[in-house]
Amino acid sequence: ETGVTQSPTHLIKTRGQQVTLRCSSQSGHNTVSWYQQALGQGPQFIFQYYREEENGRGNFPPRFSGLQFPNYSSELNVNALELDDSALYLCASSLLAGVGEQFFGPGTRLTVL
Amino acid sequence: AQSVTQLGSHVSVSEGALVLLRCNYSSSVPPYLFWYVQYPNQGLQLLLKYTTGATLVKGINGFEAEFKKSETSFHLTKPSAHMSDAAEYFCAVNRGSQGNLIFGKGTKLSVKP
Repeated sequence: ETGVTQSPTHLIKTRGQQVTLRCSSQSGHNTVSWYQQALGQGPQFIFQYYREEENGRGNFPPRFSGLQFPNYSSELNVNALELDDSALYLCASSLLAGVGEQFFGPGTRLTVL
Repeated sequence: AQSVTQLGSHVSVSEGALVLLRCNYSSSVPPYLFWYVQYPNQGLQLLLKYTTGATLVKGINGFEAEFKKSETSFHLTKPSAHMSDAAEYFCAVNRGSQGNLIFGKGTKLSVKP
């Protein structure tokens, strides 16, 4: 059974650029959630996708957007990058939206200069 | 609205000593509660969870937690600390149908030889 994988591992961008982060969910899981973890903080919920539809969103601006594909993998896109977007971005997959136990990937470390 | 408070951003214990990491939650609905561990430069690993039923929950690596509704607490304990337990620990509550986890700010556990 393959766990949650994320790519790339690290990424450096400059202010104003756009970035796409990718996540492959664990085999059999149909739900993907994305979290932002700033340095020294707990993860904060960005949004969740269930069967290719958005199923909840946290307090993040519209320049944070996402997709889920038929194979349940997912992308997180961030436009017009700001310095404060520098963080570890975590993807988590689960079988059931809402109450399903979430399994986390290793994360993508994004640095915005 | 749900929230999580972790008391103590940093806890230091000696190897072999009791580990106690505190978590209090606020929830308007019966909560699902989780403890995750994060090792440096890694994602989150689930230690244990409480959904319904028995209030004393046993997890991996000898950790356990007790759900106390009257105290709105879900403290994490381990009878005897090991050097490999040094990591950051996050308590989280699930928002149910919304699907996302709300995390505390984390407690960094140090283990002295």
